[in-house]
Amino acid sequence: DARVTQTPRHKVTEMGQEVTMRCQPILGHNTVFWYRQTMMQGLELLAYFRNRAPLDDSGMPKDRFSAEMPDATLATLKIQPSEPRDSAVYFCASGLVNRDGEPQHFGDGTRLSIL
Amino acid sequence: ILNVEQSPQSLHVQEGDSTNFTCSFPSSNFYALHWYRWETAKSPEALFVMTLNGDEKKKGRISATLNTKEGYSYLYIKGSQPEDSATYLCAFHTGRRALTFGSGTRLQVQP
Repeated sequence: DARVTQTPRHKVTEMGQEVTMRCQPILGHNTVFWYRQTMMQGLELLAYFRNRAPLDDSGMPKDRFSAEMPDATLATLKIQPSEPRDSAVYFCASGLVNRDGEPQHFGDGTRLSIL
Repeated sequence: ILNVEQSPQSLHVQEGDSTNFTCSFPSSNFYALHWYRWETAKSPEALFVMTLNGDEKKKGRISATLNTKEGYSYLYIKGSQPEDSATYLCAFHTGRRALTFGSGTRLQVQP
């Protein structure tokens, strides 16, 4: 079965360091999403790409977070500089927008701890 | 801001009990309603995508109904098993922007 692949699975780093999370969407999917799982807000949308173009990044702190899709097989989420409050599980999901509706397929997540 | 509400927030049932939860969403600009099952320490997995008013979908002991005119969907689990323990998320889609997720119903099935 095709899967969304996220790397790394776990990341522990010190405050102030740059963190880069990567996502390989399912081949042929034209939408990519970045979510953050938090205790208070459940699944929080950070960024949304369709056909590699950013459509919505309103949920992302712009001063330190950035999301890009350099090509159709790679999406990245960067945090620079990282802060302890960024500690969370970050999920990438991909999907295929069509008339009948299509579920999102989630990766296994990156568990990030900022010390 | 789209408001997607799920109730109850959490539920404890005994093995063999049947149960159901509710997802409420805006009745305007409807495109699709998604249900996901999210086990602890795993990633959400799609259960259903529902697009038509009156839709009923079934997968094993789990089924879902959709009422787009009044803005709600029910998820039913017949004869709950311990392996059904998970958080069940619904998500509303207008077709224009990303899904708006509810905060989920956490189900715990006691053996």
